[in-house]
Amino acid sequence: GESVGLHLPTLSVQEGDNSIINCAYSNSASDYFIWYKQESGKGPQFIIDIRSNMDKRQGQRVTVLLNKTVKHLSLQIAATQPGDSAVYFCAENGGTGKLIFGQGTTLQVKP
Amino acid sequence: ETGVTQSPTHLIKTRGQQVTLRCSSQSGHNTVSWYQQALGQGPQFIFQYYREEENGRGNFPPRFSGLQFPNYSSELNVNALELDDSALYLCASSSPGGQFQETQYFGPGTRLLVL
Repeated sequence: GESVGLHLPTLSVQEGDNSIINCAYSNSASDYFIWYKQESGKGPQFIIDIRSNMDKRQGQRVTVLLNKTVKHLSLQIAATQPGDSAVYFCAENGGTGKLIFGQGTTLQVKP
Repeated sequence: ETGVTQSPTHLIKTRGQQVTLRCSSQSGHNTVSWYQQALGQGPQFIFQYYREEENGRGNFPPRFSGLQFPNYSSELNVNALELDDSALYLCASSSPGGQFQETQYFGPGTRLLVL
């Protein structure tokens, strides 16, 4: 079945270090991927997106890498800050307006 | 902040009751999607509305229904509430709708508890 999965449920990093959150997707036909950040009690917040005709896209302190060969997506956060602590979801487009979300990875930033 | 608003923020209902949740889309967005997020899980797609019509539907029973109004705001209605309907209900807006997938921006959600 269709699914987007995350490799690690929890990632703990030291403040100032770089963080890498991974995601595997199953639908090789997916052409659009998004990373969301969700803080406790809030809705998902858009971080960055990438279309399948790209391998890499950079934002402010964040980079998304897409490897279509192995159906893998990653989010890199540079110089991780305490405010980055949240649950991170990858999502792929599932057709007709549907986003398919993974289970999420909790990022804990230690001071 | 995305500009997507939802009401109410919290709601408590009992089994068998009906509930209506509301969403106002971000300015300029004509498409609204609804998701259910159970505790500790990722959001699950319920349906999407574009030009006041349902544009796609996830694996949810017919007792989950919706509306979109001319001003692009939307309602999610759930009939015959079950305990498993307890969740965070998220609304997301995007533009344009139809064929192309565009970034969906989420509201803060409505927390529904069914007792």
